Amino acid sequence: VQLVESGGGLVQPGKSLKLSCSASGFTFSSYGMHWIRQAPGKGLDWVAYISSSSGTVYADAVKGRFTISRDNAKNTLYLQLNSLKSEDTAIYYCARSSNYVYYGLGYWGQGVMVTVSS
Amino acid sequence: DIQMTQSPASLSASLGETVTIECLASEDIYDILAWYQQKPGKSPQLLIYDASSLHTGVPSRFSGSGSGTQYSLKINSLQPEDFASYYCQNGLSAPLTFGSGTKLEIK
Repeated sequence: VQLVESGGGLVQPGKSLKLSCSASGFTFSSYGMHWIRQAPGKGLDWVAYISSSSGTVYADAVKGRFTISRDNAKNTLYLQLNSLKSEDTAIYYCARSSNYVYYGLGYWGQGVMVTVSS
Repeated sequence: DIQMTQSPASLSASLGETVTIECLASEDIYDILAWYQQKPGKSPQLLIYDASSLHTGVPSRFSGSGSGTQYSLKINSLQPEDFASYYCQNGLSAPLTFGSGTKLEIK
């Protein structure tokens, strides 16, 4: 299993960014996927989940601003970040649900940094 | 939202010791809980799910227990690679909240 995030960078408050997570080594379409973030020096913060059938759930802090999606043909997970705020600055990780429970984040990418600053 | 209160925030221990980390949920989560380990500069790794089931490849010195609102992670015979941060996670309902973490350091 390999997960590789991309698309991070420096962005101004109020702007948008789209993160990608390229998956390999497993049948991508069969698994739920998550985005989790970690602000510098802080703990883990769950962001969003998309099921294998594309049902979605979001954390309250990002609901209405972020959109999780997936393209099973491209084995790729996305996170569209809109109306970015300074408090969205973090490393963003994608993770795959474990084989046993959807909430168990069994495999993680290396993370991508998003910095929101003017 | 379910709040996860983790203690202690930090812990110093020696090689070979046994340590326990606690996690208190704000409501009954029916054993739907996971534990993760994160080393500095690395991605977190799943250790335990369903409160006590060991994830694939996790050494047997790690164990989880608890029920209702109170859960714990026990690490027997600490090894050098165990010094890291640990997080619990609610899996019962979204948002899938994490505890604030416990940093385990070498004494």
